[in-house]
Amino acid sequence: ETGVTQSPTHLIKTRGQQVTLRCSSQSGHNTVSWYQQALGQGPQFIFQYYREEENGRGNFPPRFSGLQFPNYSSELNVNALELDDSALYLCASQRDLNTEAFFGQGTRLTVV
Amino acid sequence: RKEVEQDPGPFNVPEGATVAFNCTYSNSASQSFFWYRQDCRKEPKLLMSVYSSGNEDGRFTAQLNRASQYISLLIRDSKLSDSATYLCVVIPAFSGGYNKLIFGAGTRLAVHP
Repeated sequence: ETGVTQSPTHLIKTRGQQVTLRCSSQSGHNTVSWYQQALGQGPQFIFQYYREEENGRGNFPPRFSGLQFPNYSSELNVNALELDDSALYLCASQRDLNTEAFFGQGTRLTVV
Repeated sequence: RKEVEQDPGPFNVPEGATVAFNCTYSNSASQSFFWYRQDCRKEPKLLMSVYSSGNEDGRFTAQLNRASQYISLLIRDSKLSDSATYLCVVIPAFSGGYNKLIFGAGTRLAVHP
């Protein structure tokens, strides 16, 4: 196992609602990134946190936001959910920038 | 043009076959390369890093051709358990202070008895 844990594993929300997803990174890892994976596609980069600061962002609207805590765990928040937000959300933990990434099991979000 | 492109497959091969996957990337300054494996409805798992000199791990061999911006994965003696989607991953040149993983859409492999 990777030592990266995400919660919850599955979630159903209604359009317009808000959701918070959580990730505990692997011990000793200071970099956490979030990815969105739609069915049949590769994961798409949402943003990255490095030592508690947002350290880069992909092509996602501001209603996608996040945090990284002093223990390097992280949250992904999505406001005003849309049907197209339905996807697998993956958290990736890295020991440092530019090293291999290890993924949690993901949170499968369904927006109805 | 997509930043990382893979043949989506599926590749349907019998057990024991040798199969090769290819991947091209658009950013010539890319610095790190990986192959990940993803089982249905599971998270991607690191299969192997790809080094300039090429590297081998058991039945798996990865190669990088920087001049052609091309990465390959060779699987020898395919097993039923190799059935999965194989994701080509590139970390582009370090810019803006962060590195993101750029994924191809994946190549699906189905190994049959």
